[in-house]
Amino acid sequence: EPEVTQTPSHQVTQMGQEVILRCVPISNHLYFYWYRQILGQKVEFLVSFYNNEISEKSEIFDDQFSVERPDGSNFTLKIRSTKLEDSAMYFCASSEYGLAGQETQYFGPGTRLLVL
Amino acid sequence: GDSVTQMEGPVTLSEEAFLTINCTYTATGYPSLFWYVQYPGEGLQLLLKATKADDKGSNKGFEATYRKETTSFHLEKGSVQVSDSAVYFCALLGGGSQGNLIFGKGTKLSVKP
Repeated sequence: EPEVTQTPSHQVTQMGQEVILRCVPISNHLYFYWYRQILGQKVEFLVSFYNNEISEKSEIFDDQFSVERPDGSNFTLKIRSTKLEDSAMYFCASSEYGLAGQETQYFGPGTRLLVL
Repeated sequence: GDSVTQMEGPVTLSEEAFLTINCTYTATGYPSLFWYVQYPGEGLQLLLKATKADDKGSNKGFEATYRKETTSFHLEKGSVQVSDSAVYFCALLGGGSQGNLIFGKGTKLSVKP
């Protein structure tokens, strides 16, 4: 069964450093998403991406964040200058369709980011 | 704005007990509703979904019915197993949304043998 994969599974970084989290969505999916879950809190939407551009982003997704689909398979989330409060589990998700509002999103296993 | 409220955990049950995890929502339009499950050390997996009022989603013995009149989508299972121990998340996809899921806080379920 096709699945979303994410690398690395864990990342430890120093405050102020740049990190890139990588995701490989399901191959025939067209819509891609990043969510995060701070320990003990809700899973929160960050950004959605379609046709090589951002469809929607939350208030969390400020100028420190960027997303990219550098090739036909990878989808990345970059945090330019990490802060302590960026420590969280980051989930990538993909769906075959998106704007219909009905389509199921399939999640990867997550990357646990720890900023020291 | 749209929101999801689910019962606080943790919930501890004995094997073969009946499970209910309550979930209510607030949304404009006609959202789709989902239950996701997160097993220890793993990511979020779709458990079941319902896309319109009175739909029942079911999978692996779990069921949830989309109740528009009570804005609820409670998760039930008749007989839980130790392997059902996980965190369960209720989520909605708003009818007018570009596609972002809105999650509840999650309910941790522990099933004892």
